[in-house]
Amino acid sequence: RKEVEQDPGPFNVPEGATVAFNCTYSNSASQSFFWYRQDCRKEPKLLMSVYSSGNEDGRFTAQLNRASQYISLLIRDSKLSDSATYLCVVTFNKFYFGSGTKLNVKP
Amino acid sequence: NAGVTQTPKFRILKIGQSMTLQCTQDMNHNYMYWYRQDPGMGLKLIYYSVGAGITDKGEVPNGYNVSRSTTEDFPLRLELAAPSQTSVYFCASSTRDSPQFFGPGTRLTVL
Repeated sequence: RKEVEQDPGPFNVPEGATVAFNCTYSNSASQSFFWYRQDCRKEPKLLMSVYSSGNEDGRFTAQLNRASQYISLLIRDSKLSDSATYLCVVTFNKFYFGSGTKLNVKP
Repeated sequence: NAGVTQTPKFRILKIGQSMTLQCTQDMNHNYMYWYRQDPGMGLKLIYYSVGAGITDKGEVPNGYNVSRSTTEDFPLRLELAAPSQTSVYFCASSTRDSPQFFGPGTRLTVL
């Protein structure tokens, strides 16, 4: 079983839509959680850390559910510029990257 | 702060040639990493280092070597390039508890 699993998508949504991605992890002792964004042919960039109490950054909300071992990313009012691949990252002594979920926001 | 820088941006190699991909960070991070990413695929860890003088293999180390003589630099050496090494190579750095920060990548084609 992979340490981190994500639905590869693609998620095709219209502008203005709300979209959510989940990411499951296998190790219940995982320590830190992050969401990254990767544009086509570019490096991954940190979008936000995920805290136990949940956290929000503008249109983006990240949540952690330790009991069910998943993290989520909610994007409200999607913009064309949100089109990218979203990677979840979980740490347990080392970093484990998911393979990413592709989001296409259409006009 | 330049963050993580990588050179070259692009390179074409012939089969059997060798080259070194350079990676430098100016954030005083102890941890540094090399990944490769094939088209449409996820990141695969090649090698990592937890400090100067200490390196360890990741999941796909064959065909590569690394060294870490300073905190700032973490070069990746390809010996006897093969078409299977055609990929995008990303270097990253972090502290023990921080997220990783990535360089812009090197696009390598082996023909």
